[in-house]
Amino acid sequence: SQQGEEDPQALSIQEGENATMNCSYKTSINNLQWYRQNSGRGLVHLILIRSNEREKHSGRLRVTLDTSKKSSSLLITASRAADTASYFCATGPNSGYSTLTFGKGTMLLVSP
Amino acid sequence: EAGVTQSPTHLIKTRGQQVTLRCSPISGHTSVYWYQQALGLGLQFLLWYDEGEERNRGNFPPRFSGRQFPNYSSELNVNALELEDSALYLCASSLEGRTEAFFGQGTRLTVV
Repeated sequence: SQQGEEDPQALSIQEGENATMNCSYKTSINNLQWYRQNSGRGLVHLILIRSNEREKHSGRLRVTLDTSKKSSSLLITASRAADTASYFCATGPNSGYSTLTFGKGTMLLVSP
Repeated sequence: EAGVTQSPTHLIKTRGQQVTLRCSPISGHTSVYWYQQALGLGLQFLLWYDEGEERNRGNFPPRFSGRQFPNYSSELNVNALELEDSALYLCASSLEGRTEAFFGQGTRLTVV
């Protein structure tokens, strides 16, 4: 079953605008990771945020984590057509032999 | 440094046949994960290997199996292929179970 759930399922914006995607999850986590997937190819790791962190930046990406609400958000600033892709959040296990569990993704379309 | 490599990139098989997919992790990574991404179903966790041992298994029938070799590379075997096995099979590796996982480009399997 899916642990993370991204919202919205699809997002269409113009180049230069910001894109915000949200992820909610159900159980306690060690970390949360965001990935990008272009056209059904492999996933590209974007950023990892640990459960004791609240915000993390990487270039035009900003990720927040609220463990009390079991939610995370990914903000892409000044979007470009090349950002068009599906974005997935994945929750890393808190203990034991669980593995990364993915949501169904947000499909982002950035129009020139 | 080479990323996660998977072979082959594309494969067409007939229902009932058997298939073997291969994955080489990033150098130094001991954990290998397999995921299935079928159309419309998101990423479904298949198997996790670490240090040669199967650590966890997703909700898939026994005809999905695999192994990890002493050099940490891995194989995924699927017996008695069914049409619904058509999917993108993604392999990922990480240092251990609770760090960033990096994905290969996947193997696109089509069962006819």
